[in-house]
Amino acid sequence: DTEVTQTPKHLVMGMTNKKSLKCEQHMGHRAMYWYKQKAKKPPELMFVYSYEKLSINESVPSRFSPECPNSSLLNLHLHALQPEDSALYLCASSPMDSYGYTFGSGTRLTVV
Amino acid sequence: DQQVKQNSPSLSVQEGRISILNCDYTNSMFDYFLWYKKYPAEGPTFLISISSIKDKNEDGRFTVFLNKSAKHLSLHIVPSQPGDSAVYFCAASDGANSKLTFGKGITLSVRP
Repeated sequence: DTEVTQTPKHLVMGMTNKKSLKCEQHMGHRAMYWYKQKAKKPPELMFVYSYEKLSINESVPSRFSPECPNSSLLNLHLHALQPEDSALYLCASSPMDSYGYTFGSGTRLTVV
Repeated sequence: DQQVKQNSPSLSVQEGRISILNCDYTNSMFDYFLWYKKYPAEGPTFLISISSIKDKNEDGRFTVFLNKSAKHLSLHIVPSQPGDSAVYFCAASDGANSKLTFGKGITLSVRP
């Protein structure tokens, strides 16, 4: 298995909703990432997990809450989002001490 | 401050000819560079990479050249095919399992 799987592919949520994005990989990668990509912009890093521990938080607002329950799963919990948070959310993984990043197909999030 | 720059937003080439996509960077700490191909509503797909200790890496139709003194890299696609039409992102890293900094991307159109 050489893929990063993200679910759901599309999500529409209201500003008062709570939802979660899920990411899964079975490549044995011990580093996992969340990126955010707005339309016609490059992906921007949000969080990095190394060995299931948060190692980088790029000053992301607390309405985004990451969680890494085990070495194969990465979640992004969403609460009280704003319409400007609408974007493509990308998950990626890589082996430790390696540049071999693999990206998922992303979740297209729309906040209404 | 944009640390990875792709100054041309688009490029159009004839099928069978060479496509040259350029990328410049400003951060001297970057030691690894990657090129990704992206279709709309999908995650980036890894194409080819190069370490800062090399000046060239080749994989089939794709070759990446790195000029460290000029802080410039380029992706050559030969011969170009219509299926190569997509957005191409240049990305750089200053350490394994660190953040990838992306350029804005360039839209390549290969005309039949």
